[in-house]
Amino acid sequence: DAKTTQPNSMESNEEEPVHLPCNHSTISGTDYIHWYRQLPSQGPEYVIHGLTSNVNNRMASLAIAEDRKSSTLILHRATLRDAAVYYCILRDEEDTGRRALTFGSGTRLQVQP
Amino acid sequence: KAGVTQTPRYLIKTRGQQVTLSCSPISGHRSVSWYQQTPGQGLQFLFEYFSETQRNKGNFPGRFSGRQFSNSRSEMNVSTLELGDSALYLCASSPTGLEGNTIYFGEGSWLTVV
Repeated sequence: DAKTTQPNSMESNEEEPVHLPCNHSTISGTDYIHWYRQLPSQGPEYVIHGLTSNVNNRMASLAIAEDRKSSTLILHRATLRDAAVYYCILRDEEDTGRRALTFGSGTRLQVQP
Repeated sequence: KAGVTQTPRYLIKTRGQQVTLSCSPISGHRSVSWYQQTPGQGLQFLFEYFSETQRNKGNFPGRFSGRQFSNSRSEMNVSTLELGDSALYLCASSPTGLEGNTIYFGEGSWLTVV
């Protein structure tokens, strides 16, 4: 499986934008980029996913590099509730044998009031 | 719409015993996956069931098994428990498995083996 690389931790101030980077230099053409986050004492929560184009939803935006070797999750205005571990995951949607999510160590985001 | 429900939330077992964990997926979801989360290994995929059939399996010993019922509810079983099986066990469901894009997780079952 293609691997992702994320910083171990990041800090942000409340109500400021946060850019969480992810490198995936060995991404294949059929790999989708997924982001999940895990709040303390909870299961992971879907945030956003994309293939080639940038994506927006109510939670966040996903900016994908033109060569797809990196992506950035953007939280437009961080709140204290956004403090969590954020996982960047590659998932091959065309291979039923690889539909499992392969979690890395993620980025622990701390939000300061 | 109710989320993924896992029971029990917390349990303590003794080494050598066996344990069964239960998962009720979101209504209408037919794909159920199980994951193990430990501080040392992080989140690891155990297996996935779709329409009562195991479709995908992670790299875990045979002591870990699961099944899915006709109503999509799923159970996982761990036999001959070891101390290293202490973990958060997470169940996740997705609508059909054909798109499989969004996976919804439950809050997990915390297992402590003593």
